[in-house]
Amino acid sequence: ETGVTQSPTHLIKTRGQQVTLRCSSQSGHNTVSWYQQALGQGPQFIFQYYREEENGRGNFPPRFSGLQFPNYSSELNVNALELDDSALYLCASSTSGTTPEQFFGPGTRLTVL
Amino acid sequence: QKEVEQDPGPLSVPEGAIVSLNCTYSNSAFQYFMWYRQYSRKGPELLMYTYSSGNKEDGRFTAQVDKSSKYISLFIRDSQPSDSATYLCAMSAGNAGNMLTFGGGTRLMVKP
Repeated sequence: ETGVTQSPTHLIKTRGQQVTLRCSSQSGHNTVSWYQQALGQGPQFIFQYYREEENGRGNFPPRFSGLQFPNYSSELNVNALELDDSALYLCASSTSGTTPEQFFGPGTRLTVL
Repeated sequence: QKEVEQDPGPLSVPEGAIVSLNCTYSNSAFQYFMWYRQYSRKGPELLMYTYSSGNKEDGRFTAQVDKSSKYISLFIRDSQPSDSATYLCAMSAGNAGNMLTFGGGTRLMVKP
């Protein structure tokens, strides 16, 4: 069984640029959630995708957007990067309708200069 | 005030000690309670989840939920240096797919 994978591992961007982060869900999981974890803090929910549709969103502006593909993999896009967007971005996969556990990938560390 | 509060620590204990980690919350809609362990620069790893009030044991780990007090705990028996990590509590109001609300994490250091 393959776990959740994310790419790239690290990324450095400058303010105003755009970034795309990728996530492959765990085998058998059809739901993907994205979280932002600032240094020294707990993860904060960005949004969730189920059956290629956004299925819930946290308190993040529209410049944070996403996609889910038919194979359940997902992308997180962030436009007009700001310095405060520097964080660890975590993807979590789960199965809808059964148990609440979400399984996290290793994350992508984004640094905005 | 945050929905989920967690003492950031650091909590330093000697090897073999019993560790108690706690979270309080304010949202009475939370039904599912999870504990994650996160090593430095890694993603969170799910340790346990509990539904509603009660206890759950898994090896050296015991999770307790007291919904009347809005208080959850994780106990680690016979702590090991490899248990040194940040422990995150997380909560959900529904079943699979619902957003998780996390505490800020408690950093635990187990000294040999």
